[in-house]
Amino acid sequence: EPEVTQTPSHQVTQMGQEVILRCVPISNHLYFYWYRQILGQKVEFLVSFYNNEISEKSEIFDDQFSVERPDGSNFTLKIRSTKLEDSAMYFCASSRDLYEQYFGPGTRLTVT
Amino acid sequence: AQSVTQPDIHITVSEGASLELRCNYSYGATPYLFWYVQSPGQGLQLLLKYFSGDTLVQGIKGFEAEFKRSQSSFNLRKPSVHWSDAAEYFCAVDLGITGGGNKLTFGTGTQLKVEL
Repeated sequence: EPEVTQTPSHQVTQMGQEVILRCVPISNHLYFYWYRQILGQKVEFLVSFYNNEISEKSEIFDDQFSVERPDGSNFTLKIRSTKLEDSAMYFCASSRDLYEQYFGPGTRLTVT
Repeated sequence: AQSVTQPDIHITVSEGASLELRCNYSYGATPYLFWYVQSPGQGLQLLLKYFSGDTLVQGIKGFEAEFKRSQSSFNLRKPSVHWSDAAEYFCAVDLGITGGGNKLTFGTGTQLKVEL
């Protein structure tokens, strides 16, 4: 069964550094998403992406964040200058239609 | 703003016992409703969803959920729990579909422990 994959599974970075989290959505999907979950808190929506542009973003998704679909298979989330509070599990999701999102296993980002 | 409440942070049940996990949402209209499960080290797996129609929906792994409009609830149930059901369960809602994808709002999750 096709699945969403994410790399790396765990990323440790120093405050102020740039990180890129990578996702490979399911191949025939059209809608792509990033969510995050700070330890002990809710899963929160960050951004949705469709037709090579951002469809919607949350207030969390400020200028430090960007997303890109650089080729036909990858979907990336970049954090330009990481802060301690960016430490979280980041989930990528994709959907073929507008009803059912499939989630990846997540990337745990630790900012020191 | 829409919100999702899962009143039970932790629930412990014995294997073979029935299970009900509660979910309430706060919004004027009926949103799309989902239950996801997260096992340790795994991503979020969709158990079931409700958009419209029959208020009792069946999902994977023997789970079902009932939408009750009068109570703004979408509780998850399973008649007989298996040890492998131990995981964290998230209720999520979406207001509806926009042109570029839908946005899920999650509850805080309920951690299920199954005693053998």
